[in-house]
Amino acid sequence: DIVMTQTPLSSPVTLGQPASISCRSSQSLVHSDGNTYLSWLQQRPGQPPRLLIYKISNRFSGVPDRFSGSGAGTDFTLKISRVEADDVGVYYCMQTTQFPYTFGQGTKLEIK
Amino acid sequence: QVQLVESGGGVVQPGRSLRLSCAASGFTFSDHGMYWVRQAPGKGLEWVTLIWYDGSNKYYADSVKGRFTVSRDNAKNTLYLQMNSLTAEDTAVYYCARSRGGVGTTADWGQGTLVTVSS
Repeated sequence: DIVMTQTPLSSPVTLGQPASISCRSSQSLVHSDGNTYLSWLQQRPGQPPRLLIYKISNRFSGVPDRFSGSGAGTDFTLKISRVEADDVGVYYCMQTTQFPYTFGQGTKLEIK
Repeated sequence: QVQLVESGGGVVQPGRSLRLSCAASGFTFSDHGMYWVRQAPGKGLEWVTLIWYDGSNKYYADSVKGRFTVSRDNAKNTLYLQMNSLTAEDTAVYYCARSRGGVGTTADWGQGTLVTVSS
């Protein structure tokens, strides 16, 4: 199974400041079709997860451009350019390149 | 507007069975692969299963293989998860989610239904 490792597990951030979350996979996420199926999801308290980014860097519909994704191969990053109060929650990376699909442990974003 | 509404959760004794449903609306259900993902209380997300748009292919997590069965009724716009031989480790909120062309992952999510396995 592909293991997804996120760092940090907790991230206190000041409003208006940037935030960054890393995700590392135990093997390359490049699919045989040439795509890399690494996505980022946000889960606000008491809510279901919500897709933010798919295939490393594509923002899903309705996602503010404050959110961006980058990376390649086994190393990926989610960046929030200016954190807002609404961004509080847990962020997960997920790989859908190879079965079984797997998630990172989650990174809790909180406001300082 | 895409809507996914899970139902069928509840309290069930260890070893018993339960069937979850996910009613879909606002899109052409038969065009989309569908997922089940679960989340144990206070824990992270765990992928459970994926079924192709036409039901021709199904994939499962090792933790549920042989006990859970995913199915769909495209005429009723409904996804199912039959869960047998339940254990306490299956206690979780179960979410259904939709795949979307070009996205390759869980694009839209329901609100979830809670399954509690306890004697």
